[in-house]
Amino acid sequence: SQKIEQNSEALNIQEGKTATLTCNYTNYSPAYLQWYRQDPGRGPVFLLLIRENEKEKRKERLKVTFDTTLKQSLFHITASQPADSATYLCAPGGGGKLIFGQGTELSVKP
Amino acid sequence: GAGVSQTPSNKVTEKGKYVELRCDPISGHTALYWYRQSLGQGPEFLIYFQGTGAADDSGLPNDRFFAVRPEGSVSTLKIQRTERGDSAVYLCASSPFSGGHGELFFGEGSRLTVL
Repeated sequence: SQKIEQNSEALNIQEGKTATLTCNYTNYSPAYLQWYRQDPGRGPVFLLLIRENEKEKRKERLKVTFDTTLKQSLFHITASQPADSATYLCAPGGGGKLIFGQGTELSVKP
Repeated sequence: GAGVSQTPSNKVTEKGKYVELRCDPISGHTALYWYRQSLGQGPEFLIYFQGTGAADDSGLPNDRFFAVRPEGSVSTLKIQRTERGDSAVYLCASSPFSGGHGELFFGEGSRLTVL
């Protein structure tokens, strides 16, 4: 069955550093992959979508890569800020439904 | 606001009772999704509507769960004979993109607690 793995342990980094989150998937060939941010008690909020024919996508301080050979996506936040602290979810998709990973909790310390 | 609206925001019920959760999507969005989320986990897919029809209901855990979207807008998730294991946050999302090829707009969720 389809399986999505994200860093299970929380990621703690210092303000100003680059945060890198990993998403690996197996038994799946998604046409695209999305990243969402979720704050406690809130619904997920869309950040970025990258398609299978794109290697990299950027939006402001965010960068996402998508390696269909490795079956992996990396999500980078540069010049991180305490306000970036949240849980980040990856979601490979195709054929209608999005399947979410369990999320990685990021904590940025001032 | 013009976002996805879910009601109730909190629902406490007793084991064995029937529950309905409502989702008002963003106007004009053709796709509607239901997920449930347990503490510390990612959203778990339940069902996806394209218009009025369920395009994929493979995530519904058993026949106690049922969802409808009769006019292609508002959707209701119905849970019969609730069990304690049904306790979770139920999230609804809508999208203007058909076939799931774009971003989802989530509501704040309905927190269900089964005692």
